[in-house]
Amino acid sequence: DTGVSQDPRHKITKRGQNVTFRCDPISEHNRLYWYRQTLGQGPEFLTYFQNEAQLEKSRLLSDRFSAERPKGSFSTLEIQRTEQGDSAMYLCASSFLTGGYGANVLTFGAGSRLTVL
Amino acid sequence: SQKIEQNSEALNIQEGKTATLTCNYTNYSPAYLQWYRQDPGRGPVFLLLIRENEKEKRKERLKVTFDTTLKQSLFHITASQPADSATYLCALDPDRGSTLGRLYFGRGTQLTVWP
Repeated sequence: DTGVSQDPRHKITKRGQNVTFRCDPISEHNRLYWYRQTLGQGPEFLTYFQNEAQLEKSRLLSDRFSAERPKGSFSTLEIQRTEQGDSAMYLCASSFLTGGYGANVLTFGAGSRLTVL
Repeated sequence: SQKIEQNSEALNIQEGKTATLTCNYTNYSPAYLQWYRQDPGRGPVFLLLIRENEKEKRKERLKVTFDTTLKQSLFHITASQPADSATYLCALDPDRGSTLGRLYFGRGTQLTVWP
């Protein structure tokens, strides 16, 4: 297992374009998270899946953002009609937690850096 | 809403000294508090965690304390080395049987260890 993989690592796009990021979590993990991080800030929660169910979405996740996790495997995060304020590092993380009890230790990917011109 | 503060944006210390990083939080009662390390351009990497009923936890040169009365965690790196230079993030872990399961991160403290 090579850990959490994210693709692409870097994406430069023009305002108004759509972008999609992909995350491949650790195969044994049932939970998958998307966080966003801007320079000098900590990661901010966007959304999370348990298996294929999207259980929570942050208010940060506007209608332009959509995330999917078909069949509970990899996940995609799509941003439509990108704005300059969307420029950030998009981090994917996975964990294994059942029953909601116990420490939720996240394994992060290297991130996908988005620059919107 | 919950608020997490890490003592300073940057901490510079000399090699061999002990680095002490502070994480304060309000409006929350986490079941666990976690610490992560983040290098430039990379995702955070888990270091260690401490439970609400634990006072202190150690792992090699790392030590973390947790005071739920003060709502504060201290993270210590003893005998610091230049390779310890990175940003250190604290994160609140709600647990308590919730299906939510998100972690709440502080903005981090950038540690620089100079020779």
